[in-house]
Amino acid sequence: EADIYQTPRYLVIGTGKKITLECSQTMGHDKMYWYQQDPGMELHLIHYSYGVNSTEKGDLSSESTVSRIRTEHFPLTLESARPSHTSQYLCASSEGTGNSGANVLTFGAGSRLTVL
Amino acid sequence: KNQVEQSPQSLIILEGKNCTLQCNYTVSPFSNLRWYKQDTGRGPVSLTIMTFSENTKSNGRYTATLDADTKQSSLHITASQLSDSASYICVVSDRGSTLGRLYFGRGTQLTVWP
Repeated sequence: EADIYQTPRYLVIGTGKKITLECSQTMGHDKMYWYQQDPGMELHLIHYSYGVNSTEKGDLSSESTVSRIRTEHFPLTLESARPSHTSQYLCASSEGTGNSGANVLTFGAGSRLTVL
Repeated sequence: KNQVEQSPQSLIILEGKNCTLQCNYTVSPFSNLRWYKQDTGRGPVSLTIMTFSENTKSNGRYTATLDADTKQSSLHITASQLSDSASYICVVSDRGSTLGRLYFGRGTQLTVWP
């Protein structure tokens, strides 16, 4: 059973709207990540966090922002959505040193965003 | 440039048959390689993780191999089932920095027909 939860699973909105994708994990993991995935393409890291009040931008330039006020919660916000933001957004977490070493990522089910 | 290439891009097999998926990488210095299974509309789930010294690792009907010299890995699925239909993603981690970046392949889309 997944211990990392994403909401909403699907979202269709109009251009210019502000949206927040929620991600929560119950495993007490320090590290959390947001990935963007388009069909047939590799996952791209857009944000990550090593712990509370720690956030960094990933490899893929993104107009989204994130926050990490609580260990279990890592929401992603788009202030003004555009059609180019249409994609699948995957949240993940890992314990310890996370993105390195042998630590395994646990992924949420994803949020599929469509901007009209 | 560090890259992870997977082949084939897609594969269709009949239920009960075996298949092998390939992953070639150029990531250096190498730390570990992981195979994930991603069902349609879901997040990836870890199948195996292999470090430099490991050649073979099994997880039920899934067997992964690693040749660190040639920088190749394979995922062999035995006696395929309909539930094996998914995208299989190869992920390689480097150890060149404290961050330890993950490099993702584009996945092999496997379809198992009855």
